[in-house]
Amino acid sequence: DQQVKQNSPSLSVQEGRISILNCDYTNSMFDYFLWYKKYPAEGPTFLISISSIKDKNEDGRFTVFLNKSAKHLSLHIVPSQPGDSAVYFCAASAQGTYKYIFGTGTRLKVLA
Amino acid sequence: DAGVIQSPRHEVTEMGQEVTLRCKPISGHDYLFWYRQTMMRGLELLIYFNNNVPIDDSGMPEDRFSAKMPNASFSTLKIQPSEPRDSAVYFCASTPGPQYEQYFGPGTRLTVT
Repeated sequence: DQQVKQNSPSLSVQEGRISILNCDYTNSMFDYFLWYKKYPAEGPTFLISISSIKDKNEDGRFTVFLNKSAKHLSLHIVPSQPGDSAVYFCAASAQGTYKYIFGTGTRLKVLA
Repeated sequence: DAGVIQSPRHEVTEMGQEVTLRCKPISGHDYLFWYRQTMMRGLELLIYFNNNVPIDDSGMPEDRFSAKMPNASFSTLKIQPSEPRDSAVYFCASTPGPQYEQYFGPGTRLTVT
């Protein structure tokens, strides 16, 4: 049972446009969410996080939105750059646990 | 800090052989995690340790897999005997505490023929 789902395996966006990556979760106990970026032959690196007490968190070109009622979060990248081309994973954890459940990832390709 | 260190980066072995993957976490991080990445299942948590003690090994696929953390600066993931379906990229990650970001190593790409 996949508790964290990224239903789009891949996404292509033109440079300068907005990239929107989506993530759905099923466990209502999840209260902390993160996005990681992964380049080939490297480990995932932390990008941005959001707590369930917020519905938005922004860091430069990256914004994460959380819709608790829909159990949905999204990552917006504006403007998209070719260097953003990578696999993006969302992850979730529940208070009192110390582990993250990861989605299967979305491969973003930003076209120059 | 050098970050999380994993070795080897690549391992090719024959079915039935024993494989040992190694990880050195970031100094001062009390939590260590082992993940496996596959196309179908993404990043799966195999096991995690807190202060060198295994806390949750529910993700370990079967008895062929074992993990140890003899001290705060070293952990191993062992597969014995290895099978072709174990082929994947294995990541180690560490973090200073719960609900902090995890810092990942570069991974070990395992190929079992």
